[in-house]
Amino acid sequence: GAVVSQHPSWVICKSGTSVKIECRSLDFQATTMFWYRQFPKQSLMLMATSNEGSKATYEQGVEKDKFLINHASLTLSTLTVTSAHPEDSSFYICSARGGLLTRETQYFGPGTRLLVL
Amino acid sequence: DAKTTQPPSMDCAEGRAANLPCNHSTISGNEYVYWYRQIHSQGPQYIIHGLKNNETNEMASLIITEDRKSSTLILPHATLRDTAVYYCIVSPYTGANSKLTFGKGITLSVRP
Repeated sequence: GAVVSQHPSWVICKSGTSVKIECRSLDFQATTMFWYRQFPKQSLMLMATSNEGSKATYEQGVEKDKFLINHASLTLSTLTVTSAHPEDSSFYICSARGGLLTRETQYFGPGTRLLVL
Repeated sequence: DAKTTQPPSMDCAEGRAANLPCNHSTISGNEYVYWYRQIHSQGPQYIIHGLKNNETNEMASLIITEDRKSSTLILPHATLRDTAVYYCIVSPYTGANSKLTFGKGITLSVRP
């Protein structure tokens, strides 16, 4: 139980295009989802927290107009990187929490590797 | 900034117990101690969490000191697949501040 999936697992795009990453909780209802970013040899950095049906709360320094987060259902959240640039190349990881068995614990997806050329 | 302190690295022999320490001297009364690990190029994996009592599951044991200022994660019989970065994180159970802030973690290397 408590499985989180992400799609795609990796994506390459041209500079200036937008990329959407999906995060799904497969066997529980995720009332809260989180998006992290990880650069090589660094730790995970929290980008934003989203509660189902509400606007996401972004961490300081994260541009909300560049990283659009939608959490429209209890099993799906999406992160859209708008007008991507090479410096946005990173490992994007989502996590989810919610439900009776997972209310205290965040479970992470496998991550999406983004390369912007 | 992360509220925990961990040594940067340690190693242990395969089959032996791995004891990973963590200091969290400023932990608040409503904060849990969580342990996650990240194997190279994968998302973090949940291991265990606790508030003040010692906890055990199929993966590991968590020993929390009585004053809650430090804890130890124990992998009872380490295997090569346990080589990873292990993160000790303190966080409230609920509320706006209930989110995981990752530090640098400790790199565990299990040698054959």
